[in-house]
Amino acid sequence: GESVGLHLPTLSVQEGDNSIINCAYSNSASDYFIWYKQESGKGPQFIIDIRSNMDKRQGQRVTVLLNKTVKHLSLQIAATQPGDSAVYFCAENPPDNAGNMLTFGGGTRLMVKP
Amino acid sequence: NAGVMQNPRHLVRRRGQEARLRCSPMKGHSHVYWYRQLPEEGLKFMVYLQKENIIDESGMPKERFSAEFPKEGPSILRIQQVVRGDSAAYFCASSRQTEAFFGQGTRLTVV
Repeated sequence: GESVGLHLPTLSVQEGDNSIINCAYSNSASDYFIWYKQESGKGPQFIIDIRSNMDKRQGQRVTVLLNKTVKHLSLQIAATQPGDSAVYFCAENPPDNAGNMLTFGGGTRLMVKP
Repeated sequence: NAGVMQNPRHLVRRRGQEARLRCSPMKGHSHVYWYRQLPEEGLKFMVYLQKENIIDESGMPKERFSAEFPKEGPSILRIQQVVRGDSAAYFCASSRQTEAFFGQGTRLTVV
């Protein structure tokens, strides 16, 4: 189930189940979005990205869905494994940014129970 | 092809000292970004640099913080006269165009 911890919301799932992590972004004009995975003590690791002219993009075991109408992004992880346990951040790149200055969401902690 | 390299990984400074954090971008990347992360929080943008130029420093505190990316050598984030509130993880990212790759971060502890 989903619960709110002291700071980061936490999603607990059983190994083998599918996980869905949600993110609300702030700028309706943002044209590029990325999901990052951050394990304890490490830097953010790129998972998958999507441009605003797409609604869905699939990778290996992961799918990102973009709903521009409600400014919502989701990350679906199929057959979740213990190694997927981490904090997941969505990031957006508003079009008026010079370069690639990303604005990060607050993050969701995914805990996979064996 | 080595990733983004940051050093040191851990840095302990007493209040009032200076902290220097270094970041070497991936080969071929000319864009460098610094982010700060407090425990249990997301990453907050600080500064965006290209070689010898600061492009955007809108996320940098007005005092004590500075950044550079010289023609030769790594990018440096410098924090003067550190205070306890500067304790955080500082991440550097580099990119060529769109996809940004992050380093492992420097964890600064001010005692």
